[in-house]
Amino acid sequence: SQTIHQWPATLVQPVGSPLSLECTVEGTSNPNLYWYRQAAGRGLQLLFYSVGIGQISSEVPQNLSASRPQDRQFILSSKKLLLSDSGFYLCAWSGTGDPNEKLFFGSGTQLSVL
Amino acid sequence: AQSVTQPDIHITVSEGASLELRCNYSYGATPYLFWYVQSPGQGLQLLLKYFSGDTLVQGIKGFEAEFKRSQSSFNLRKPSVHWSDAAEYFCAVVTPVRSSASKIIFGSGTRLSIRP
Repeated sequence: SQTIHQWPATLVQPVGSPLSLECTVEGTSNPNLYWYRQAAGRGLQLLFYSVGIGQISSEVPQNLSASRPQDRQFILSSKKLLLSDSGFYLCAWSGTGDPNEKLFFGSGTQLSVL
Repeated sequence: AQSVTQPDIHITVSEGASLELRCNYSYGATPYLFWYVQSPGQGLQLLLKYFSGDTLVQGIKGFEAEFKRSQSSFNLRKPSVHWSDAAEYFCAVVTPVRSSASKIIFGSGTRLSIRP
């Protein structure tokens, strides 16, 4: 069966420090991968999506970047965190057999930038 | 650009009362629509989805949603809510970006509270 792992679960970082959140998927190949951010009162905002290795699409201009070095690995990064980067980050995947399959979410990372 | 609007930020209903959560979408073609629920301390769970066919869609936990193209709406309903339905509800629209991939845009969510 397919599983999605996301870590760390919580993270407290000072302003200006770097960030690396990792997400891996098991039990499937060539998944579509997504990074969402859930900020208070703003719902789920799509940050990045990837349809293959090295293929990253950015949805909103921001201080973050994403990379997909392997088929089932999706990394969210920042060189210098801002206070506004605080939020709950969710990784998700969907299959490619049907483009309208549902999303499977990771357990999320609560990021606090102080 | 595709978008999803959930006009109600927070709704409180009494246990046993009926519920309707509103969702409006903006999408040029036939939309593919989802409702997700996020319970406190838990992840996101798919309630139901609409791709085509019957405009009244049945989901899990007794929820249903009706797709109305003329109103660009996909409202979620439940005839009688239970205390365990207290959660945050998200409407989402799927936008195909190629034949084998799509991106999913979520609304801002509606927080549902249940009055005993």
